[in-house]
Amino acid sequence: KNEVEQSPQNLTAQEGEFITINCSYSVGISALHWLQQHPGGGIVSLFMLSSGKKKHGRLIATINIQEKHSSLHITASHPRDSAVYICAVVYNTDKLIFGTGTRLQVFP
Amino acid sequence: ETGVTQTPRHLVMGMTNKKSLKCEQHLGHNAMYWYKQSAKKPLELMFVYSLEERVENNSVPSRFSPECPNSSHLFLHLHTLQPEDSALYLCASSRVRGGWHEQYFGPGTRLTVT
Repeated sequence: KNEVEQSPQNLTAQEGEFITINCSYSVGISALHWLQQHPGGGIVSLFMLSSGKKKHGRLIATINIQEKHSSLHITASHPRDSAVYICAVVYNTDKLIFGTGTRLQVFP
Repeated sequence: ETGVTQTPRHLVMGMTNKKSLKCEQHLGHNAMYWYKQSAKKPLELMFVYSLEERVENNSVPSRFSPECPNSSHLFLHLHTLQPEDSALYLCASSRVRGGWHEQYFGPGTRLTVT
């Protein structure tokens, strides 16, 4: 069992739908990253958060440290949001542990 | 464009070949990383360099040999690889070493070992 679990593994949606991707972890952490990986392979950082909630455009990330859980929400999804979304937790200050990712496809 | 470039983008090599992957960052960062991404597996950290010194080596086989000649460049030298080494190899950099700092990733090198 991975220390960082994401669900669902695969997700399809129609354009405009509200999307939620979940990340659960079993270790004590100090922060959590959400990353986006497009089909070409490159990865970009979306958020880093250690408590509460952050919003950037149509993306919202929340974290509950006590429950060891984070969610990434996408409002008004669009085909260009199709990507793999990866959760990574900050463990022991300097180590990152990655989830296996959630593959999202948004259809027009 | 993240400011981190990798070459080549694709590489096919035989098990007896020797090749090198190159990573360059134009961000003035002091830490650089090599990751391996295999299908359906989480990213695996291979090596970490901080201020050109290797600070982490996560039990990577000796057929992978990193080199960091300066803070802008990172190489991964490959020799006598195995088919199971086929994967996407990603380079990343951050301002300083540590999980609290945003990492900027390159586009990756897709490696196929035949």
